[in-house]
Amino acid sequence: DAKTTQPNSMESNEEEPVHLPCNHSTISGTDYIHWYRQLPSQGPEYVIHGLTSNVNNRMASLAIAEDRKSSTLILHRATLRDAAVYYCILRPRRDDKIIFGKGTRLHILP
Amino acid sequence: ETGVTQSPTHLIKTRGQQVTLRCSSQSGHNTVSWYQQALGQGPQFIFQYYREEENGRGNFPPRFSGLQFPNYSSELNVNALELDDSALYLCASSYRDRVGEQYFGPGTRLTVT
Repeated sequence: DAKTTQPNSMESNEEEPVHLPCNHSTISGTDYIHWYRQLPSQGPEYVIHGLTSNVNNRMASLAIAEDRKSSTLILHRATLRDAAVYYCILRPRRDDKIIFGKGTRLHILP
Repeated sequence: ETGVTQSPTHLIKTRGQQVTLRCSSQSGHNTVSWYQQALGQGPQFIFQYYREEENGRGNFPPRFSGLQFPNYSSELNVNALELDDSALYLCASSYRDRVGEQYFGPGTRLTVT
């Protein structure tokens, strides 16, 4: 399985944009890039996913490098509620499993 | 729209016992996945059910088994409980053709003593 590398933790200030990086140098052409987050004492929450093009939704934006070996989850204006563990996940197109790694713990400073 | 619900919220069992955890999927979702999350770790995939059949399994022994019912709800059964089975058990539901967008329940916290 292709693997992802994320920083263990990051800090950001409230009301500022946050860029969460993810490296996936062994990604294959049919791997989707998924992002989930897990708030304290809750189950994971789907955030966004993409294949080749950048994606936007009401929660975040996903910027995918042209060579697809890295991606960045962008929270446009962080709030205290965005403090969570963020997981970057690769899922082969024909695979139905979501395989979580260790993720990045995001701290939001008021 | 009702989200994913799980029961019970917490459970304490003794080593060697058996446990059944339950999950009701989000309305309309036909696929259910189960995960085990140990403290401080990411969720680990146990198995997935679609059309009442197991559709993929992670690296878990056969004493972890499941069921999916015609209404798409699901059960996770664990036999011969071990201390290392203490964890948060998460259920997630999705549409079969959008399996990457999974919606998780709050989990069941299992403690094995």
